[in-house]
Amino acid sequence: DVKVTQSSRYLVKRTGEKVFLECVQDMDHENMFWYRQDPGLGLRLIYFSYDVKMKEKGDIPEGYSVSREKKERFSLILESASTNQTSMYLCASSLLRTGLGQETQYFGPGTRLLVL
Amino acid sequence: SQQGEEDPQALSIQEGENATMNCSYKTSINNLQWYRQNSGRGLVHLILIRSNEREKHSGRLRVTLDTSKKSSSLLITASRAADTASYFCATPTGTASKLTFGTGTRLQVTL
Repeated sequence: DVKVTQSSRYLVKRTGEKVFLECVQDMDHENMFWYRQDPGLGLRLIYFSYDVKMKEKGDIPEGYSVSREKKERFSLILESASTNQTSMYLCASSLLRTGLGQETQYFGPGTRLLVL
Repeated sequence: SQQGEEDPQALSIQEGENATMNCSYKTSINNLQWYRQNSGRGLVHLILIRSNEREKHSGRLRVTLDTSKKSSSLLITASRAADTASYFCATPTGTASKLTFGTGTRLQVTL
């Protein structure tokens, strides 16, 4: 079974803090994703990585950066946390097959971040 | 940008009844996926239907795809309390392996 783990289930941070969210997958997947989920807005893609050290902006990259130094690990960084970044953050991974969006995405359990 | 929009936003039924939720999308696709999310958890893949398929079954799930209407439906038959969750459709976005998720349908199955 594919396993995607996220470093924290719940996190409370203060405005202006630098925040690291870690995601690890154990199935040698090329693709990794970071989403945020807010009520009424569904899932929105923040960043996407299709290989080590490769990244691509998603729909809402502002205020975030990412790091992928190893294939199994994809980190999301909030450089200076703000209250509007309070959200549920979901990491996912998938195999790179056809690149036609046919790959199943496997999700971690999510990190609920509260920025005060 | 939202590619898929689910309808209804929320659905409440009794155990044993069937639940139907719909997804509409905007651009041509080569496949569509459905995912489920239990409260406060990550999403789990349920089923993928390709653009050359009109209907697909998996256990108590039945998915249809109408590419002419740009819509899909997910039917859960003989629902159980454990089916209580949010259900999302997802469609490919641009190049590579990205998906765009809809806003979801919250299903509540009561005893």
